[in-house]
Amino acid sequence: GAGVSQTPSNKVTEKGKYVELRCDPISGHTALYWYRQSLGQGPEFLIYFQGTGAADDSGLPNDRFFAVRPEGSVSTLKIQRTERGDSAVYLCASSSFGTGRVRNEQFFGPGTRLTVL
Amino acid sequence: TQLLEQSPQFLSIQEGENLTVYCNSSSVFSSLQWYRQEPGEGPVLLVTVVTGGEVKKLKRLTFQFGDARKDSSLHITAAQPGDTGLYLCAGANSGAGSYQLTFGKGTKLSVIP
Repeated sequence: GAGVSQTPSNKVTEKGKYVELRCDPISGHTALYWYRQSLGQGPEFLIYFQGTGAADDSGLPNDRFFAVRPEGSVSTLKIQRTERGDSAVYLCASSSFGTGRVRNEQFFGPGTRLTVL
Repeated sequence: TQLLEQSPQFLSIQEGENLTVYCNSSSVFSSLQWYRQEPGEGPVLLVTVVTGGEVKKLKRLTFQFGDARKDSSLHITAAQPGDTGLYLCAGANSGAGSYQLTFGKGTKLSVIP
């Protein structure tokens, strides 16, 4: 596609429920990133995929958070037993290393706004 | 932990004025990017700087990367209402093997017609 797409755009859930957030990266981009942005803050890194594998998951806050990218394209961020503190905008970005490895230019989707009641 | 501090946090100016926002860190970055984000949307990449001392111009926007690659500034000349938004700087340390971006909290700019 022309840009990174994310679904749903908004998700409201109750404390304790399970949610899945989807990211469709720019076609051909091998790298995919998830970030979380709380109100009044900049995005915070969660996890980075190179192809199908999670190359860096150091930003995941705890084991309730998990992400997959089984075919090296679409990724799903999964949150179990949601808590009110998980409420935030979840952003996905993709990049193509090619000659851009040093520049590391990432292109972001519009985000999914998650609200945990 | 690498931190990026942006200043000012909020800036409200009249159309036609000039402004500068700053992005500072105690850490060295291999590259630094500036993004603009509007409400309900994801950040949009404006520019990437890689070389210490590098200056890049994008129409009325001038970006500078510090000589030591620890800080950066964004200068806007003759600001227009369309420049309104959240300006985020983000540093990358690709050489460390991780490609995550470290973001500042942003500068929220309002340009009043």
